[in-house]
Amino acid sequence: DAGVTQSPTHLIKTRGQQVTLRCSPKSGHDTVSWYQQALGQGPQFIFQYYEEEERQRGNFPDRFSGHQFPNYSSELNVNALLLGDSALYLCASSLGAGSVNSPLHFGNGTRLTVT
Amino acid sequence: AQSVAQPEDQVNVAEGNPLTVKCTYSVSGNPYLFWYVQYPNRGLQFLLKYITGDNLVKGSYGFEAEFNKSQTSFHLKKPSALVSDSALYFCAVRDMRARQLTFGSGTQLTVLP
Repeated sequence: DAGVTQSPTHLIKTRGQQVTLRCSPKSGHDTVSWYQQALGQGPQFIFQYYEEEERQRGNFPDRFSGHQFPNYSSELNVNALLLGDSALYLCASSLGAGSVNSPLHFGNGTRLTVT
Repeated sequence: AQSVAQPEDQVNVAEGNPLTVKCTYSVSGNPYLFWYVQYPNRGLQFLLKYITGDNLVKGSYGFEAEFNKSQTSFHLKKPSALVSDSALYFCAVRDMRARQLTFGSGTQLTVLP
């Protein structure tokens, strides 16, 4: 039973560029959430996708956007990259948006470095 | 707004001794509380959760946590620490309306042989 898979594992980009990160949820899960984890900090919620729609958004600018596909996989897009966007980006999946009975299952993350 | 505080950046304990990692929270209404563990260069792994019911919650790898409503705390505990328990531990909270978890800043646990 595959868990949450994220690609790529590492990425180096230049300021101003755009990046796309990908996530496949755990088998049986239909909800995908994205978190940003800066070095030495806890994960910060970016947004959640359920039924191919953004259901809730954290305090992140519009440069951060996403998409969920019919197979429940998801993409995170970041435009006009800033140095401060350097972080570990974590994808988490669960069953049923808003359900507390389905804990988040996290992938190993994508390490994004902006130079 | 919901928030979590983990007052200790670092906890050191000798192998075989009991360990406690502290967490306090702030939330409107009843809290849903979680503990996750993160190993180097890995994602977060779920340990345990408190939704309702018994204040003492048992989770994976022998860990347990005690919910204390009056002190708004949810401390993680283990009776006998292992060197392999050394990792970064995160407490998280959400309220009934929110969809997202709010995480603390993490506590680095080091178990010394």
